[in-house]
Amino acid sequence: AQKVTQAQTEISVVEKEDVTLDCVYETRDTTYYLFWYKQPPSGELVFLIRRNSFDEQNEISGRYSWNFQKSTSSFNFTITASQVVDSAVYFCALSRGTYKYIFGTGTRLKVLA
Amino acid sequence: SAVISQKPSRDICQRGTSLTIQCQVDSQVTMMFWYRQQPGQSLTLIATANQGSEATYESGFVIDKFPISRPNLTFSTLTVSNMSPEDSSIYLCSVLGSSSYEQYFGPGTRLTVT
Repeated sequence: AQKVTQAQTEISVVEKEDVTLDCVYETRDTTYYLFWYKQPPSGELVFLIRRNSFDEQNEISGRYSWNFQKSTSSFNFTITASQVVDSAVYFCALSRGTYKYIFGTGTRLKVLA
Repeated sequence: SAVISQKPSRDICQRGTSLTIQCQVDSQVTMMFWYRQQPGQSLTLIATANQGSEATYESGFVIDKFPISRPNLTFSTLTVSNMSPEDSSIYLCSVLGSSSYEQYFGPGTRLTVT
């Protein structure tokens, strides 16, 4: 069975602090895809990144970075020098490559000015 | 990525009534999806809507309660029928991106049933 666990329900940080959002997944598939989405208070889900199971290269995009480790079944997301605009709920998701996503329960990030 | 719009953005409805939510995409897409996000919860897939065929519903969701139309490759509607307060949720539509792996979501419809 597939499962995504985001153990951190809510995190609060002060602006400019670095913060890491954890995502642990379970799957028996050898090919799978991992995603991160951001849901600001407006409600729209914003796609951030997709990572394939056969590509463990970490990725950096501006202040965002992602650490994918198959050995620990984790796909963690770090925001460097957080800003108030980063305040949102962040979802990690897993798919087999079909359209069906398994979403985690989300982590609410509050960045305080 | 596709630009997706939804109408209405929010609504407050009375118990027992129905609401139709529209989803419009700025490009032709094969697969469109409808999700429900109950307050403080994660997203749950309601159904997949392919143009020219009946929607495919996930376990726990039925066509009588959530009828879906997909008249063309850029548009879909989801109706929430005979609403109860438990239907209060955000309803989101999404489409597959060009890579066919990631989904792009609309802004959502925030529904409150009183």
